[in-house]
Amino acid sequence: KQEVTQIPAALSVPEGENLVLNCSFTDSAIYNLQWFRQDPGKGLTSLLLIQSSQREQTSGRLNASLDKSSGRSTLYIAASQPGDSATYLCAAGRGGGADGLTFGKGTHLIIQP
Amino acid sequence: GAVVSQHPSRVICKSGTSVKIECRSLDFQATTMFWYRQFPKQSLMLMATSNEGSKATYEQGVEKDKFLINHASLTLSTLTVTSAHPEDSSFYICSALYPGMNEQYFGPGTRLTVT
Repeated sequence: KQEVTQIPAALSVPEGENLVLNCSFTDSAIYNLQWFRQDPGKGLTSLLLIQSSQREQTSGRLNASLDKSSGRSTLYIAASQPGDSATYLCAAGRGGGADGLTFGKGTHLIIQP
Repeated sequence: GAVVSQHPSRVICKSGTSVKIECRSLDFQATTMFWYRQFPKQSLMLMATSNEGSKATYEQGVEKDKFLINHASLTLSTLTVTSAHPEDSSFYICSALYPGMNEQYFGPGTRLTVT
């Protein structure tokens, strides 16, 4: 059974800092790896999707990497802003891609102005 | 971009009653939709996979007779929580699988409170 772990559970940093969020998964046979943002009481916003054959994806100030062999993914946020404050979720795609996602518990990020 | 809606966004019901939650893909057809549940400070957990025109596939530990799923069209899946109890209070989120891309697009979620 796939298990996804995110470290740290919470992080508070001053505005402007670069930061890294970590995600690990126990079963390397994933189809894809996706990072989401969730604001309090809200749904999910997809940030980056990395297919199993890819090593990284970039969007603006965000960069996500994937190392299937070690069961790890990282989300790098450059030049953090207060608007980046949210919970960041990592999710591993199961099976052949048409299966559900296995989520981690998330990293609660606070960017101090 | 692909948009998925859910209705209602919030619902309060009394214990023992049933409540229906709708999930719609607004600008694409989805043969597969998923239902997740999120308890406070917990991760999203997959409840079931909904396939248009066929029976849903439930995850281990999810009661199929309690959580009825109907995927009657390519743009609509419904989740009915039957005989709701306070422990069913949770945040329910659906997603729809975009055809040919194997990427899920999520709805905004439904907050269910059972009193």
